[in-house]
Amino acid sequence: QQPVQSPQAVILREGEDAVINCSSSKALYSVHWYRQKHGEAPVFLMILLKGGEQKGHEKISASFNEKKQQSSLYLTASQLSYSGTYFCGTRKSGSRLTFGEGTQLTVNP
Amino acid sequence: GAVVSQHPSWVICKSGTSVKIECRSLDFQATTMFWYRQFPKQSLMLMATSNEGSKATYEQGVEKDKFLINHASLTLSTLTVTSAHPEDSSFYICSAREPMGGAQETQYFGPGTRLLVL
Repeated sequence: QQPVQSPQAVILREGEDAVINCSSSKALYSVHWYRQKHGEAPVFLMILLKGGEQKGHEKISASFNEKKQQSSLYLTASQLSYSGTYFCGTRKSGSRLTFGEGTQLTVNP
Repeated sequence: GAVVSQHPSWVICKSGTSVKIECRSLDFQATTMFWYRQFPKQSLMLMATSNEGSKATYEQGVEKDKFLINHASLTLSTLTVTSAHPEDSSFYICSAREPMGGAQETQYFGPGTRLLVL
Protein backbone atom coordinates (compact mmCIF):
# COMPACT_ATOMS: atom_id res chain seq x y z
CA GLN A 1 0.00 0.00 0.00
CA GLN A 2 1.34 3.39 -1.03
CA PRO A 3 2.63 5.66 1.75
CA VAL A 4 1.14 9.13 2.05
CA GLN A 5 3.42 12.13 1.78
CA SER A 6 2.70 15.65 2.96
CA PRO A 7 2.82 18.36 1.94
CA GLN A 8 2.44 17.81 -1.81
CA ALA A 9 4.48 20.90 -2.53
CA VAL A 10 6.42 23.52 -0.64
CA ILE A 11 8.14 26.72 -1.69
CA LEU A 12 10.97 28.12 0.39
CA ARG A 13 13.42 30.94 0.32
CA GLU A 14 17.07 30.03 0.58
CA GLY A 15 18.00 29.50 4.22
CA GLU A 16 14.54 28.46 5.40
CA ASP A 17 13.70 25.07 6.90
CA ALA A 18 11.22 22.45 5.72
CA VAL A 19 9.74 19.19 6.95
CA ILE A 20 8.35 16.47 4.71
CA ASN A 21 6.27 13.72 6.22
CA CYS A 22 5.67 10.15 5.13
CA SER A 23 3.09 7.91 6.78
CA SER A 24 1.81 4.41 6.26
CA SER A 25 -1.20 2.46 7.42
CA LYS A 26 0.89 -0.70 7.62
CA ALA A 27 3.75 -1.68 9.93
CA LEU A 28 7.06 -0.74 8.35
CA TYR A 29 10.45 -2.43 8.23
CA SER A 30 12.31 0.54 6.85
CA VAL A 31 11.88 3.93 5.23
CA HIS A 32 14.02 5.13 2.32
CA TRP A 33 14.28 8.73 1.17
CA TYR A 34 15.17 9.83 -2.37
CA ARG A 35 15.44 13.15 -4.17
CA GLN A 36 14.69 13.51 -7.86
CA LYS A 37 15.66 16.56 -9.86
CA HIS A 38 13.72 17.49 -12.96
CA GLY A 39 14.47 15.12 -15.84
CA GLU A 40 16.75 12.91 -13.77
CA ALA A 41 16.40 9.66 -11.88
CA PRO A 42 15.91 9.55 -8.10
CA VAL A 43 19.03 9.71 -5.97
CA PHE A 44 19.23 7.80 -2.70
CA LEU A 45 19.49 10.03 0.39
CA MET A 46 19.19 7.75 3.39
CA ILE A 47 17.55 4.69 4.88
CA LEU A 48 15.98 4.49 8.32
CA LEU A 49 15.34 1.23 10.09
CA LYS A 50 12.75 0.37 12.69
CA GLY A 51 13.86 1.13 16.19
CA GLY A 52 13.05 4.81 16.11
CA GLU A 53 16.34 5.86 14.63
CA GLN A 54 17.37 9.20 13.31
CA LYS A 55 19.94 9.98 10.69
CA GLY A 56 21.50 13.03 9.22
CA HIS A 57 23.84 14.20 6.55
CA GLU A 58 24.92 17.81 6.74
CA LYS A 59 21.69 19.79 6.83
CA ILE A 60 19.34 17.00 5.80
CA SER A 61 18.17 14.62 8.49
CA ALA A 62 15.31 12.24 9.06
CA SER A 63 13.52 10.36 11.80
CA PHE A 64 11.45 7.20 11.85
CA ASN A 65 8.75 6.59 14.43
CA GLU A 66 7.76 2.97 13.94
CA LYS A 67 4.92 3.16 16.47
CA LYS A 68 3.26 5.91 14.45
CA GLN A 69 4.44 4.29 11.18
CA GLN A 70 5.71 7.67 10.17
CA SER A 71 8.93 9.21 8.96
CA SER A 72 9.90 12.85 8.60
CA LEU A 73 12.63 14.43 6.49
CA TYR A 74 14.10 17.67 7.83
CA LEU A 75 15.84 20.15 5.55
CA THR A 76 17.65 22.85 7.49
CA ALA A 77 18.87 26.16 6.09
CA SER A 78 17.82 25.08 2.61
CA GLN A 79 20.04 25.66 -0.38
CA LEU A 80 19.06 26.16 -4.00
CA SER A 81 20.43 22.69 -4.73
CA TYR A 82 17.79 21.15 -2.47
CA SER A 83 15.08 21.84 -5.05
CA GLY A 84 13.49 18.72 -6.47
CA THR A 85 10.87 16.11 -5.71
CA TYR A 86 11.36 14.07 -2.58
CA PHE A 87 10.03 10.53 -2.45
CA CYS A 88 9.77 8.27 0.51
CA GLY A 89 9.84 4.54 -0.10
CA THR A 90 8.54 2.18 2.52
CA ARG A 91 9.27 -1.47 2.92
CA LYS A 92 7.63 -4.19 4.92
CA SER A 93 9.75 -7.16 5.92
CA GLY A 94 10.95 -9.07 2.87
CA SER A 95 9.05 -6.96 0.38
CA ARG A 96 9.95 -4.40 -2.24
CA LEU A 97 9.84 -0.63 -1.84
CA THR A 98 6.58 1.20 -2.36
CA PHE A 99 6.89 4.91 -3.12
CA GLY A 100 4.75 7.84 -2.10
CA GLU A 101 3.43 10.42 -4.56
CA GLY A 102 6.32 12.75 -3.86
CA THR A 103 6.74 16.24 -2.39
CA GLN A 104 7.88 18.96 -4.76
CA LEU A 105 10.30 21.30 -3.03
CA THR A 106 11.25 24.63 -4.61
CA VAL A 107 13.96 26.77 -3.07
CA ASN A 108 14.09 30.33 -4.37
CA PRO A 109 16.93 32.83 -3.92
CA GLY B 1 26.58 4.68 -3.00
CA ALA B 2 26.24 1.95 -5.57
CA VAL B 3 26.21 2.85 -9.27
CA VAL B 4 23.60 1.76 -11.77
CA SER B 5 23.86 2.63 -15.44
CA GLN B 6 21.13 2.65 -18.04
CA HIS B 7 21.36 2.79 -21.81
CA PRO B 8 20.22 4.50 -23.91
CA SER B 9 19.42 7.71 -22.07
CA TRP B 10 16.86 8.67 -24.67
CA VAL B 11 15.37 7.11 -27.77
CA ILE B 12 12.96 8.24 -30.47
CA CYS B 13 11.37 5.53 -32.57
CA LYS B 14 8.55 4.97 -35.01
CA SER B 15 5.33 3.34 -33.96
CA GLY B 16 5.48 -0.44 -34.32
CA THR B 17 9.20 -0.83 -33.66
CA SER B 18 10.75 -2.51 -30.63
CA VAL B 19 13.09 -0.76 -28.24
CA LYS B 20 15.56 -2.41 -25.87
CA ILE B 21 16.76 -0.67 -22.70
CA GLU B 22 19.71 -2.00 -20.71
CA CYS B 23 20.28 -1.64 -16.99
CA ARG B 24 23.60 -2.52 -15.40
CA SER B 25 24.82 -2.56 -11.83
CA LEU B 26 28.43 -1.40 -12.13
CA ASP B 27 29.99 -2.12 -8.76
CA PHE B 28 27.80 -4.77 -7.21
CA GLN B 29 25.89 -7.88 -8.20
CA ALA B 30 22.16 -7.43 -8.21
CA THR B 31 20.01 -10.53 -8.04
CA THR B 32 16.98 -8.29 -8.13
CA MET B 33 16.32 -5.32 -10.35
CA PHE B 34 13.17 -3.28 -10.80
CA TRP B 35 11.67 -1.47 -13.77
CA TYR B 36 9.63 1.67 -13.23
CA ARG B 37 7.70 3.98 -15.46
CA GLN B 38 7.16 7.61 -14.62
CA PHE B 39 4.85 10.15 -16.23
CA PRO B 40 5.49 13.88 -15.78
CA LYS B 41 4.95 15.10 -12.23
CA GLN B 42 3.88 11.68 -11.05
CA SER B 43 5.33 9.05 -8.80
CA LEU B 44 7.32 5.99 -9.76
CA MET B 45 5.09 3.22 -11.03
CA LEU B 46 6.60 -0.22 -10.61
CA MET B 47 6.18 -2.27 -13.75
CA ALA B 48 8.02 -5.45 -12.89
CA THR B 49 10.59 -7.10 -10.68
CA SER B 50 13.43 -8.75 -12.53
CA ASN B 51 15.08 -11.74 -10.90
CA GLU B 52 18.38 -13.15 -12.15
CA GLY B 53 17.89 -16.55 -13.71
CA SER B 54 14.13 -16.63 -13.42
CA LYS B 55 11.04 -15.04 -14.90
CA ALA B 56 10.16 -11.49 -14.07
CA THR B 57 7.23 -10.70 -11.82
CA TYR B 58 4.88 -8.19 -13.40
CA GLU B 59 2.61 -5.78 -11.58
CA GLN B 60 -1.11 -5.92 -12.20
CA GLY B 61 -2.07 -4.26 -15.44
CA VAL B 62 1.37 -4.50 -17.04
CA GLU B 63 1.40 -6.63 -20.19
CA LYS B 64 4.26 -9.10 -20.00
CA ASP B 65 4.19 -9.71 -23.76
CA LYS B 66 4.48 -6.00 -24.36
CA PHE B 67 7.26 -5.33 -21.89
CA LEU B 68 9.77 -8.18 -22.10
CA ILE B 69 12.26 -8.41 -19.27
CA ASN B 70 15.39 -10.51 -19.26
CA HIS B 71 17.82 -10.70 -16.32
CA ALA B 72 20.55 -12.79 -17.87
CA SER B 73 23.34 -12.03 -15.43
CA LEU B 74 23.90 -10.61 -11.96
CA THR B 75 24.74 -7.22 -13.42
CA LEU B 76 22.42 -6.86 -16.40
CA SER B 77 18.67 -6.63 -16.89
CA THR B 78 17.00 -5.58 -20.12
CA LEU B 79 13.54 -4.22 -20.85
CA THR B 80 12.24 -4.52 -24.39
CA VAL B 81 9.19 -2.50 -25.35
CA THR B 82 7.72 -4.50 -28.22
CA SER B 83 5.67 -2.92 -31.00
CA ALA B 84 5.88 0.46 -29.33
CA HIS B 85 3.03 2.93 -29.69
CA PRO B 86 2.79 6.63 -28.78
CA GLU B 87 1.09 5.79 -25.48
CA ASP B 88 4.26 3.91 -24.47
CA SER B 89 6.17 7.19 -24.51
CA SER B 90 7.43 7.75 -20.99
CA PHE B 91 10.44 7.92 -18.68
CA TYR B 92 11.62 4.39 -17.88
CA ILE B 93 13.88 3.95 -14.87
CA CYS B 94 15.57 0.82 -13.63
CA SER B 95 16.64 0.21 -10.08
CA ALA B 96 18.91 -2.41 -8.56
CA ARG B 97 18.79 -3.75 -5.06
CA GLU B 98 22.17 -3.84 -3.37
CA PRO B 99 22.31 -7.21 -1.59
CA MET B 100 23.53 -6.10 1.82
CA GLY B 101 21.16 -8.47 3.56
CA GLY B 102 18.24 -7.68 5.85
CA ALA B 103 16.96 -4.25 6.67
CA GLN B 104 19.98 -2.40 5.26
CA GLU B 105 19.09 -3.26 1.68
CA THR B 106 18.07 -0.37 -0.47
CA GLN B 107 17.62 0.35 -4.14
CA TYR B 108 19.76 2.50 -6.40
CA PHE B 109 18.35 3.98 -9.57
CA GLY B 110 19.80 4.23 -13.03
CA PRO B 111 19.71 7.58 -14.84
CA GLY B 112 16.54 6.67 -16.76
CA THR B 113 15.60 6.34 -20.42
CA ARG B 114 13.27 8.79 -22.06
CA LEU B 115 11.26 7.05 -24.79
CA LEU B 116 9.35 8.96 -27.44
CA VAL B 117 7.29 6.96 -29.91
CA LEU B 118 6.16 8.83 -32.99
